[in-house]
Amino acid sequence: QVQLQESGPRLVKPSETLSLICTVSGGSISSNYWSWIRQPPGKGLEWIGYISDSGGRNYNPSLESRVIISMDTSKNQFSLKVTSVTAADTAVYYCTRDSSGNSYGHYYYHMDVWGKGTTVTVSS
Amino acid sequence: QSVLTQPPSASGTPGQRVTISCSGTTSNIGSNAVTWYQQLPGTAPKVLIYSSNQRPSGVPDRFSGSKSAASASLAISGLQSEDEAHYYCATWDDSLNGAVLFGGGTKLTVL
Repeated sequence: QVQLQESGPRLVKPSETLSLICTVSGGSISSNYWSWIRQPPGKGLEWIGYISDSGGRNYNPSLESRVIISMDTSKNQFSLKVTSVTAADTAVYYCTRDSSGNSYGHYYYHMDVWGKGTTVTVSS
Repeated sequence: QSVLTQPPSASGTPGQRVTISCSGTTSNIGSNAVTWYQQLPGTAPKVLIYSSNQRPSGVPDRFSGSKSAASASLAISGLQSEDEAHYYCATWDDSLNGAVLFGGGTKLTVL
């Protein structure tokens, strides 16, 4: 059974870079797509972006200029960097395993395995 | 403000049937399948419905999903106290390079 675990600093200063790692166990990162999702306190979910099993990337247009998602297949990990952070980047950050394909003529894309999430606070 | 529109709140009494709507456009719900996530307090979301109307194993058949044109609905029958949670719809959007969209979420209260 695939499990995901987020790790990284819980406190980041404004204007600095937020860095998180997701460690995948029970399965290989060389298959499936992998996303980062965040949830500000008391608010809804926001997709940050994904990285594919072949290393292709796709980011939320609203965050694209500040986000990099990478993978390290030797460690079975993928990572997130968000540059120039502000208080608005304070959130619970989740990493996910994604599932996609076509079903009855419709494209589906969903996050079928989630990490427990890690809270990152941006404050001086 | 989310591209996918959900009511911020819904409520019902035990045993009732409640529905939660999710409205989008032709480039997202109108073209692609919808996923519904359930988020219990203090936990990560989990898939409740995928491919618009499919339940993962372990999800009770009290939960059902449907889609018509650019809108989708989640129905919960035989409402139970443990169903009190936030519910989010999500789908793929075909505009630009493609993106995952989430609805703003609906807080379901069991009275």
